[in-house]
Amino acid sequence: EPEVTQTPSHQVTQMGQEVILRCVPISNHLYFYWYRQILGQKVEFLVSFYNNEISEKSEIFDDQFSVERPDGSNFTLKIRSTKLEDSAMYFCASNPPSSYEQYFGPGTRLTVT
Amino acid sequence: AQSVTQLDSQVPVFEEAPVELRCNYSSSVSVYLFWYVQYPNQGLQLLLKYLSGSTLVKGINGFEAEFNKSQTSFHLRKPSVHISDTAEYFCAVSDKGRDDKIIFGKGTRLHILP
Repeated sequence: EPEVTQTPSHQVTQMGQEVILRCVPISNHLYFYWYRQILGQKVEFLVSFYNNEISEKSEIFDDQFSVERPDGSNFTLKIRSTKLEDSAMYFCASNPPSSYEQYFGPGTRLTVT
Repeated sequence: AQSVTQLDSQVPVFEEAPVELRCNYSSSVSVYLFWYVQYPNQGLQLLLKYLSGSTLVKGINGFEAEFNKSQTSFHLRKPSVHISDTAEYFCAVSDKGRDDKIIFGKGTRLHILP
């Protein structure tokens, strides 16, 4: 069964560094999302992406964040200058046309030191 | 704005006993409702979803949930739990036909006692 994949599974970075989290959504899906989950807290929406542009973003998704679909398969989340509070599990999700079921990847655990 | 309330942060239950995990939501429009499960150190897996039709929804691993529009609830139930059901369970909502983002509750940790 097709699945969403994410790399790396764990990323450790120093405060102020840039990180890029990568996701490969399921191939026929058109809608893409990033969510994050700070340890012990709920999953929070960051951004949705459709037709090569952001559809919606939350207040968390400030100027330090950006998303890109550089080719036909990858979907990336970039954090320009990481802060300690960016430490979290980041989930990518996608869904096909005419379906509200989002398929989640296994997540990337980002640790900012 | 949508919101999801899971009143119980942790629910202990004996193995083979029934369990109900409570979820209430608020939204100004019609919604889709979901339950996701997160096993230790893993990602999110869809247990079941309510989109329309029958208010009783059956999902994987013997779980079911009932949509109650008048009470704005979507409680999750299982008649007999197993040790393998130990996980965090998240109730979630999405606006029907408006935008696709999913709003999650804070989660309920199901703790199975031997």
